[in-house]
Amino acid sequence: EAQVTQNPRYLITVTGKKLTVTCSQNMNHEYMSWYRQDPGLGLRQIYYSMNVEVTDKGDVPEGYKVSRKEKRNFPLILESPSPNQTSLYFCASRRPSGRKGNEQFFGPGTRLTVL
Amino acid sequence: EDQVTQSPEALRLQEGESSSLNCSYTVSGLRGLFWYRQDPGKGPEFLFTLYSAGEEKEKERLKATLTKKESFLHITAPKPEDSATYLCAVSGGYQKVTFGIGTKLQVIP
Repeated sequence: EAQVTQNPRYLITVTGKKLTVTCSQNMNHEYMSWYRQDPGLGLRQIYYSMNVEVTDKGDVPEGYKVSRKEKRNFPLILESPSPNQTSLYFCASRRPSGRKGNEQFFGPGTRLTVL
Repeated sequence: EDQVTQSPEALRLQEGESSSLNCSYTVSGLRGLFWYRQDPGKGPEFLFTLYSAGEEKEKERLKATLTKKESFLHITAPKPEDSATYLCAVSGGYQKVTFGIGTKLQVIP
């Protein structure tokens, strides 16, 4: 089954404790992206990657890091989480822009609470 | 800066009462306009991609249309299972994707 998986699904942590949210896709997609979703603000893009070792900032990159060492994986790293990073996070993947059928497939989400 | 504005924010319909959701956008070099459905606590689920003005796509009770400034999602004879938040997004020339806040649709039996 074609899918994007995220782990963990739920996480409660404390300020300053480094954490990683993993994302993996099995569709051989080149493009992957991380979003956060907050009430009244919608989905905002954090980082995206057009291929292995190619990443770029989205609209809200501050406080986050990413890496793309393998095509299927795109982890999101919070080096020193703060309460304003409490949010619902989604990973997504798709084929490159310009090709028909380049819709994004989203993971199930990770609900993060930073105390 | 790319922008997407969706209206209304919330819509309550009786079962069978057709209506339309609006998505107004500004983008430099439209590569695609997307519609997604999102159920509470879940990831967005892809519905349609539109690439150029005049294009239309249909799926069951949903029909999406596109002009140079806005897109509409028409819902014909909705059922309670169509209740969800509908998201509009645009992809511009720098691989970024910008989403609207969404329209929360409730269909009452």
